[in-house]
Amino acid sequence: DTGVSQDPRHKITKRGQNVTFRCDPISEHNRLYWYRQTLGQGPEFLTYFQNEAQLEKSRLLSDRFSAERPKGSFSTLEIQRTEQGDSAMYLCASSLGTRWDYEQYFGPGTRLTVT
Amino acid sequence: DQQVKQNSPSLSVQEGRISILNCDYTNSMFDYFLWYKKYPAEGPTFLISISSIKDKNEDGRFTVFLNKSAKHLSLHIVPSQPGDSAVYFCAARMEVGSGSYQLTFGKGTKLSVIP
Repeated sequence: DTGVSQDPRHKITKRGQNVTFRCDPISEHNRLYWYRQTLGQGPEFLTYFQNEAQLEKSRLLSDRFSAERPKGSFSTLEIQRTEQGDSAMYLCASSLGTRWDYEQYFGPGTRLTVT
Repeated sequence: DQQVKQNSPSLSVQEGRISILNCDYTNSMFDYFLWYKKYPAEGPTFLISISSIKDKNEDGRFTVFLNKSAKHLSLHIVPSQPGDSAVYFCAARMEVGSGSYQLTFGKGTKLSVIP
């Protein structure tokens, strides 16, 4: 399967712990996006990478959140000192990165539960 | 302030009939509008899109209509099939920097097609 993959699919953690999620985009895609989705809401943009450069960050991305894409391939999203409000589905998407590039391909998401 | 609104959380339609899903937006800077479909435990998948300079785009059973003056778009599915039962997200794209784009999603409409 050559789609977007995310690991883990589910994560339960205690408040105050750090968590890290991984996203592997479609191999020829140079843009990678992170979204957060809470119950009853649509995906909300967090940040995006063009190759290894992080180009945009949402106000939702507090200083406890950090994302990297070290070699322009896979990406990681780390949340430090997790809070109960961080409980959500974290979605990763990738795209080709052309001017007409509006179709983003989503992974299955990582569901985070903070207890 | 929600820039993309889907005011109907759910919709039920008989198999074979037309499904009409609606979406309103507030930002005139959006240049593309997209519909995504999401099954449980999966990420959203791209369905169909329309440029802001068009008023209709058709792909098989799916047609999207855009009324720019009313800032309204709709997705028509004809005929509806049980496999169409899913959550449908309306999304709008805006350029946020040179060559950088961001998608803003609505909250979604859950479509149930009854056999």
